[in-house]
Amino acid sequence: QSALTQPASVSGSPGQSITISCTGTSSDIGRYNYVSWYQQHPGKAPKLIVFDLDTRPSGVSNRFSGSKSGNTASLTISGLQAEDEADYYCASFTSSMTQVFGAGTKVTVL
Amino acid sequence: EVQLVESGGGLVQPGGSLRLSCAASGFTFTDCSINWVRQAPGKGLEWVSYINSNSRTVYYADSVKGRFTISRDNAKNSLYLQMNSLTADDTAVYYCARQPYDNGAVGSFDYWGQGTLVAVSS
Repeated sequence: QSALTQPASVSGSPGQSITISCTGTSSDIGRYNYVSWYQQHPGKAPKLIVFDLDTRPSGVSNRFSGSKSGNTASLTISGLQAEDEADYYCASFTSSMTQVFGAGTKVTVL
Repeated sequence: EVQLVESGGGLVQPGGSLRLSCAASGFTFTDCSINWVRQAPGKGLEWVSYINSNSRTVYYADSVKGRFTISRDNAKNSLYLQMNSLTADDTAVYYCARQPYDNGAVGSFDYWGQGTLVAVSS
């Protein structure tokens, strides 16, 4: 199972909106709505911020939203804040009943 | 408070073995599937292995199949990963990660441990 494709980096100014793409195949993202997104700050464990494509866990800001079109999922961060600077990983359920992660996207707040 | 605490990492020679443990607390362990996810230094996340609540369903990434064995002891609220025939490519921080449900398939991970570092080098 190959890793999902994410841009290496995305940047934006405070208050702006940015979108991170995550491209898979018809065996993962294209087939299922079981896409999740994780935020990871340096030296910390990942944190779940979106699951089941567009659902936020309790306590996660509504500035984070997920969507999908075809084989590509997207995470949008609106009202970008300094604390959003981190690495972001997408993940998808696969036809093998397992999970595959994306390579990660570094978000920089300018 | 949900807690997952990994242990057992360290330096091991190529071809060697290591057993990782993950102690869980703050939730009903038998309600959840648990996974191992690893992260090589400076690299992304890689799902490694899954085990369901009664240990009857396990999955492995192709990169570790035949070398790693996942297990759990529900009486001790603990998860394990036996790693054999280790290579430099197995060098990573290993996280245990909880799924908040148990349906026989690998889903999203709502709680993670702090990780334990495994370094394979001569």
